[in-house]
Amino acid sequence: AQSVTQPDIHITVSEGASLELRCNYSYGATPYLFWYVQSPGQGLQLLLKYFSGDTLVQGIKGFEAEFKRSQSSFNLRKPSVHWSDAAEYFCAVAAATGANNLFFGTGTRLTVIP
Amino acid sequence: GAGVSQTPSNKVTEKGKYVELRCDPISGHTALYWYRQSLGQGPEFLIYFQGTGAADDSGLPNDRFFAVRPEGSVSTLKIQRTERGDSAVYLCASSAGQADTQYFGPGTRLTVL
Repeated sequence: AQSVTQPDIHITVSEGASLELRCNYSYGATPYLFWYVQSPGQGLQLLLKYFSGDTLVQGIKGFEAEFKRSQSSFNLRKPSVHWSDAAEYFCAVAAATGANNLFFGTGTRLTVIP
Repeated sequence: GAGVSQTPSNKVTEKGKYVELRCDPISGHTALYWYRQSLGQGPEFLIYFQGTGAADDSGLPNDRFFAVRPEGSVSTLKIQRTERGDSAVYLCASSAGQADTQYFGPGTRLTVL
């Protein structure tokens, strides 16, 4: 069965510091991978996605993620965090055979301190 | 253009009552999805429509939950005999087609007293 693990429930970083949010997945086939961000009162916004090709994916707001098949990971990174990045981040996986539903992790809450 | 909209934004009801939650997808999107997000959890898939038909309803928790999309655009999620455990944020998403990026609405927060 498919599953997504985000081992860090809450992360606190200083503004300007680098960030890495971890995501591990379990899936029987080649997955599609996603990172979404959810701010209070806002809908989920897609940051980036990986379908195939280059394993380093660039997204919006300066975020990037790297797909590592050998580690079943899709970690999200940002070199310098801004206060506006404080939010909940969700990793998700879908079947590459015709993705319908997304399977989400439990999320990582990011706090940014000045 | 307009994104996915959901109404109401908040719904408070009593245990045992019937509720309807509405989703207006992005114009032209043929695929529509419903998810449920409980406190402290990630969204969980409920049902997926391709056009007017429910292509995958495997996530609906029981027969109290039902969803329709009669004209292939607006969708309504219906919950009968609500229970306190149904309290959650119900999210709707749409995509241009199957396997395309899903765009989410702001959600409806349902509270069952």
